[in-house]
Amino acid sequence: RKEVEQDPGPFNVPEGATVAFNCTYSNSASQSFFWYRQDCRKEPKLLMSVYSSGNEDGRFTAQLNRASQYISLLIRDSKLSDSATYLCVVSADGLTFGKGTHLIIQP
Amino acid sequence: NAGVTQTPKFQVLKTGQSMTLQCAQDMNHNSMYWYRQDPGMGLRLIYYSASEGTTDKGEVPNGYNVSRLNKREFSLRLESAAPSQTSVYFCAIYPQGPWGNQPQHFGDGTRLSIL
Repeated sequence: RKEVEQDPGPFNVPEGATVAFNCTYSNSASQSFFWYRQDCRKEPKLLMSVYSSGNEDGRFTAQLNRASQYISLLIRDSKLSDSATYLCVVSADGLTFGKGTHLIIQP
Repeated sequence: NAGVTQTPKFQVLKTGQSMTLQCAQDMNHNSMYWYRQDPGMGLRLIYYSASEGTTDKGEVPNGYNVSRLNKREFSLRLESAAPSQTSVYFCAIYPQGPWGNQPQHFGDGTRLSIL
């Protein structure tokens, strides 16, 4: 069974702190990787794709380690609005979604 | 949510009733998908359609049927609803398909309760 594993949290983090999530995947043939954000009772929305060389989008940095089969997301200078569930998504012969990591930014 | 429209947004059914969830897209993409999301279970694929006229089972197809009416519309039908089908249902589209390297875009969901 193809698995994508995430720590469900919740991660309780003070505003302004840096927080990191990891995600591991079992299918070594996986080709594409994404982080989605999902707010309570809303649809998942793409946060960023994850590239082999790592990529950054403002306060967000994504890393991919193919050898160890894990993906990470780093959020710097966290904001209250970052509170959400973050889904790790892996594509091989289909999309497999992790169950998500719940992040709570505290004032 | 621009591009993918789901109806209804909320529905309550009694066990044994039937209903159809509608999904329409205006982005002219070939691939469309139906997921369900349950607490602690994550998103699970029910059915997908790689192109007009084709449908395929996903991870949890039992109890559901689908119709790809045309390129724009993909419906999900519950013939005899069961309490285990209480969930949030998401329709999604894929800009390249069926399993390319582009992310999916989701509709804003249908919250379905079966009593």
